[in-house]
Amino acid sequence: DGGITQSPKYLFRKEGQNVTLSCEQNLNHDAMYWYRQDPGQGLRLIYYSQIVNDFQKGDIAEGYSVSREKKESFPLTVTSAQKNPTAFYLCASSTQGDQPQHFGDGTRLSIL
Amino acid sequence: GQQLNQSPQSMFIQEGEDVSMNCTSSSIFNTWLWYKQDPGEGPVLLIALYKAGELTSNGRLTAQFGITRKDSFLNISASIPSDVGIYFCAGLPNAGNNRKLIWGLGTSLAVNP
Repeated sequence: DGGITQSPKYLFRKEGQNVTLSCEQNLNHDAMYWYRQDPGQGLRLIYYSQIVNDFQKGDIAEGYSVSREKKESFPLTVTSAQKNPTAFYLCASSTQGDQPQHFGDGTRLSIL
Repeated sequence: GQQLNQSPQSMFIQEGEDVSMNCTSSSIFNTWLWYKQDPGEGPVLLIALYKAGELTSNGRLTAQFGITRKDSFLNISASIPSDVGIYFCAGLPNAGNNRKLIWGLGTSLAVNP
């Protein structure tokens, strides 16, 4: 089945460590997105990519980094510079930037 | 960043009741989307609206793209327990913004069987 796969479902990070969240899609979508979700704050855009080898900062990019080397993959690295990384992270994709986005099931990141 | 005004923030209703929620913006939107999120999962697209005045149904769900292009409504008829979740609206502004979706903060729905 076509879809978006995020892994792992749960992730724990020690203070000072970088961690990478995986997002893979087999929908042949050009655009991919990373959101952060905290209780009561809805979805906030971290980074997005409209095409391979190109990506743009969203509203809360500080402390995060991404790469888009392949169309189907858009990994997100939460760096040690992100001081409050505990959140639910959602990856999404769409055929183009102005089309509806389809989401993965998320990764919940916690600090040990 | 910019956000939509989504209301109500939460609702607690009896099974069988109808539900209505809405989103408003100060600027014109080209597209309105409605999503539902179950606990611990990603949002799922319910309805997409592309034209002012458009009224679209998906089973017991009906959504409308406001005539002013600054608002949208979602109605759920004859609610059932599996309607529980958080409903988000999202919109694509008419201009600028690098064509990024703008999100509401969600309406949390609880249904009492």
